[in-house]
Amino acid sequence: ESVLTQSPGTLSLSPGERATLSCRASQSMNSNHLAWYQQRPGQAPRLLIYGTSNRATGVPDKFSGSGSGTDFTLTISGLEPDDFAVYYCQSRGGSFGGGTKVEIK
Amino acid sequence: EAQLVESGGGLVQPGGSLRLSCAASGFTFSTYWMNWARQAPGMGLEWVASIKGDGSEKYYADSVKGRFAVSRDNTKNSLYLQMNSLRAEDTAVYYCARSRDNSNDWWGQGTLVTVSS
Repeated sequence: ESVLTQSPGTLSLSPGERATLSCRASQSMNSNHLAWYQQRPGQAPRLLIYGTSNRATGVPDKFSGSGSGTDFTLTISGLEPDDFAVYYCQSRGGSFGGGTKVEIK
Repeated sequence: EAQLVESGGGLVQPGGSLRLSCAASGFTFSTYWMNWARQAPGMGLEWVASIKGDGSEKYYADSVKGRFAVSRDNTKNSLYLQMNSLRAEDTAVYYCARSRDNSNDWWGQGTLVTVSS
C-alpha cells in the first residue's frame, strides 16, 4: 500500500484566501482510492472528498479535490473560520498521510 | 442517519488487555466493512484494523498485528477491538468508522485508551 506524504505541514493563511494542500503517494494509486478528511480540535475526522474529487454528503463546493497517479490536491476556496483545521489524506480507507494544519495567519 | 458510539476505553497497565466496542445504528450494519483508527495525543491519524461485513476478512496495521483482534456481531450491530499486550505507545483515542467508496464516511466520537503504570 502507498505511503502518503502531505505538504506543507502547516499552512498559514488569512480568512478569504485559498488553500492548496498536497498529498503525494509513494506509488501510483487508483484515483478511486484517495480520500480527504477535515479534523477540528477535539472532534472526530469528517469525510470531505472520496475518490479524489467527489464531495461527501453535505460538503460545500468550496472544497475540491483533484489529481492522479501519485499527486493529489485538496483546494479550499474562500477560507472561513471553521475551515482552519487539520486535513488528512487517506489511501483506500487505510493508511493516512501525516496531515496539514491550516492555521490563521 | 448513521451513528457510531464507541465505549470501553480507560486506563490500563502495560501488558494488560482491553476490549473496545462500537455500537452502530441507522444503517444496515452487516453490509459494510468497518474500521478502527486511532490518534495518539497531539499526533495524526493511524489506521488500525478493518473487517468485512460478514467478518470473513480482517486486516491489521503492522503495529498491532498479533496483539489486537477485530470482530463484529451483526446480530447486535456491534464492532469490537480486543487489545492485548498493551504498550505505552498504544495510548490514543480509538475511533470506529464505516467504510464506503474506499473511504470512511461515518465516524464515532472516539474512546480514550491510556496505557500507563
